[in-house]
Amino acid sequence: SQELEQSPQSLIVQEGKNLTINCTSSKTLYGLYWYKQKYGEGLIFLMMLQKGGEEKSHEKITAKLDEKKQQSSLHITASQPSHAGIYLCGADINTGNQFYFGTGTSLTVIP
Amino acid sequence: DSGVTQTPKHLITATGQRVTLRCSPRSGDLSVYWYQQSLDQGLQFLIQYYNGEERAKGNILERFSAQQFPDLHSELNLSSLELGDSALYFCASSTRGNSNTEAFFGQGTRLTVV
Repeated sequence: SQELEQSPQSLIVQEGKNLTINCTSSKTLYGLYWYKQKYGEGLIFLMMLQKGGEEKSHEKITAKLDEKKQQSSLHITASQPSHAGIYLCGADINTGNQFYFGTGTSLTVIP
Repeated sequence: DSGVTQTPKHLITATGQRVTLRCSPRSGDLSVYWYQQSLDQGLQFLIQYYNGEERAKGNILERFSAQQFPDLHSELNLSSLELGDSALYFCASSTRGNSNTEAFFGQGTRLTVV
């Protein structure tokens, strides 16, 4: 079973469009992280959320963690081809030492 | 550049063989994590070491083992390799031992078992 579910699995958008990626857990998240991966390459840390209701932004990317700390969304405004890649959420669940990743969302931005 | 170095970048080997993947963490990071990424399983946590000691274990097979040396570099040993072990293996490092706070990832080692 997958601890973290991401949706959608893949996304194809026209350049300039906004988009949202969701990450959902059935358990409380203690630290939610968003990463971006270019195909076959390493993961790039985007941002981390810890508090319920927290929202962070970096350039055109905004991430939120809901009040119950069981869902996070990543929103990209005015997407560009450079945003293309695989977006992964990751989290500490149950305060354990194990770290889980979401299923990933593949984003393609068409110029 | 994340500061985490993984070698080799690519590895092709035959079934039944044994390989060793190496990871050098960022300077000052005490925690090293190993992950396996395959097409059907996604990114799976394998094992974590903190300052030389095993801290957490994930979905790591008995054929796999890891260790962290006094200089904090880590090695992941994969033995009796099977076709299904073909995957990208990532190493990540962070300063803390009890959370994956801002872990920085290496570029990965692509293992192909033929």
